[in-house]
Amino acid sequence: GAVVSQHPSWVICKSGTSVKIECRSLDFQATTMFWYRQFPKQSLMLMATSNEGSKATYEQGVEKDKFLINHASLTLSTLTVTSAHPEDSSFYICSASLLAGGLYGVNEQFFGPGTRLTVL
Amino acid sequence: QKEVEQNSGPLSVPEGAIASLNCTYSDRGSQSFFWYRQYSGKSPELIMSIYSNGDKEDGRFTAQLNKASQYVSLLIRDSQPSDSATYLCAVNEFNTDKLIFGTGTRLQVFP
Repeated sequence: GAVVSQHPSWVICKSGTSVKIECRSLDFQATTMFWYRQFPKQSLMLMATSNEGSKATYEQGVEKDKFLINHASLTLSTLTVTSAHPEDSSFYICSASLLAGGLYGVNEQFFGPGTRLTVL
Repeated sequence: QKEVEQNSGPLSVPEGAIASLNCTYSDRGSQSFFWYRQYSGKSPELIMSIYSNGDKEDGRFTAQLNKASQYVSLLIRDSQPSDSATYLCAVNEFNTDKLIFGTGTRLQVFP
């Protein structure tokens, strides 16, 4: 259980084009989805938190007009990188939050396989 | 600035040994603690979660939590070359579902 998929797994595009990345929770309904970016040899950087039916909450320094997030349902969130430039080339990873079992009422995050974006 | 600190490594251990990975955090309000494993070029995989002080064991993995010392550790018994990866410590931000990640410790298990 707790499987998260992402599509596409990699994409190469020209500078100035837009790229859409899909994130799906396959076997559970996610209370919240998150979008991260990871540059080589660096840790994960949270870009935004996404809840179904509401606007995403972006982290400081992340341009909301450049990284458009749509959370259409409890199992689907999309990230669109608009007018992509070479500096946007990175590994984009989504995660979906699932309420853990037991007494703690804690959410655990499960990651998708990631999308490697290369902007030429 | 809420932080999670990890030694970047690499931590090199022989096959069959115990690997000990450590993590400290600054947010005293954090209540949930996680260890993720990330192979090179792949996304993180949740391997352990711990919420209360003490030890939690799952197979070859043991997570240890000491909230008073703001310290989390992960022990890997009978280390295998396939355990070679970067291990990320993650701590929830108080009153949110957001996770704060450490920079990770690279573990190398040699035959």
